[in-house]
Amino acid sequence: QVQLVQSGAEVKKPGASVKVSCKASGYTFTNYYIHWVRQAPGQALEWMGWLNPHSGGSNYAQKFQGQVTMTRDTSISTAYMEVNRLRSDDTAVYYCARVYDYGGKRDLFDYWGQGTLVTVSS
Amino acid sequence: DVVMTQSPLSLPVTLGQPASISCRSSQGLVYSDGNTYLSWFQQRPGQPPRRLIYTVSNRDSGVPDRFSGSGSGTDFTLKISRVEAEDVGVYYCMQGTHWPWTFGQGTKVEIK
Repeated sequence: QVQLVQSGAEVKKPGASVKVSCKASGYTFTNYYIHWVRQAPGQALEWMGWLNPHSGGSNYAQKFQGQVTMTRDTSISTAYMEVNRLRSDDTAVYYCARVYDYGGKRDLFDYWGQGTLVTVSS
Repeated sequence: DVVMTQSPLSLPVTLGQPASISCRSSQGLVYSDGNTYLSWFQQRPGQPPRRLIYTVSNRDSGVPDRFSGSGSGTDFTLKISRVEAEDVGVYYCMQGTHWPWTFGQGTKVEIK
């Protein structure tokens, strides 16, 4: 069965960095994009960007350009998202979700990770 | 960016009664392949989002048939024919046609 399993909760100080992982299983990792979505406490979902695990290419929402880096390790079917220069308003649950977008067929966000809470506090 | 506007933001419903959530987009959502990438997600407390509906009206596997999606252009609707206790949560629409992809503000469904 398809699973996306994320790393555990983190507590960071302002200005620090955090790297969240998303390990895929139950499907061919390089056949699906991995997208990241965050949710601040009590707030709506916010799309952050995507990673192409096949090529390593990525694209970020303008708001996160320069602050976020998405990478992968295909040998262990794991995607990573690093957020730099953390601020208190980056406190949120960060989710990974997969997307199929090849050959004219698209299937968006059918499976999600369980979420990783990142708390930024001095 | 495409703005997704949901209404109402809070929806108290009596068990067994119908519920309807509206989602309006600031632009049309037809993609270059002719499909409309409008999805609906359910988020129960403490859980990740779960997709219920994709491309406007297609129900995901395992989703009860009391959930249905409809709409076109910029106006979309999620309906629950008879609300059950397990339907409590926040519902989001999302467009995956225009970059960046955007979500609605969420509609909180609760039992009266």
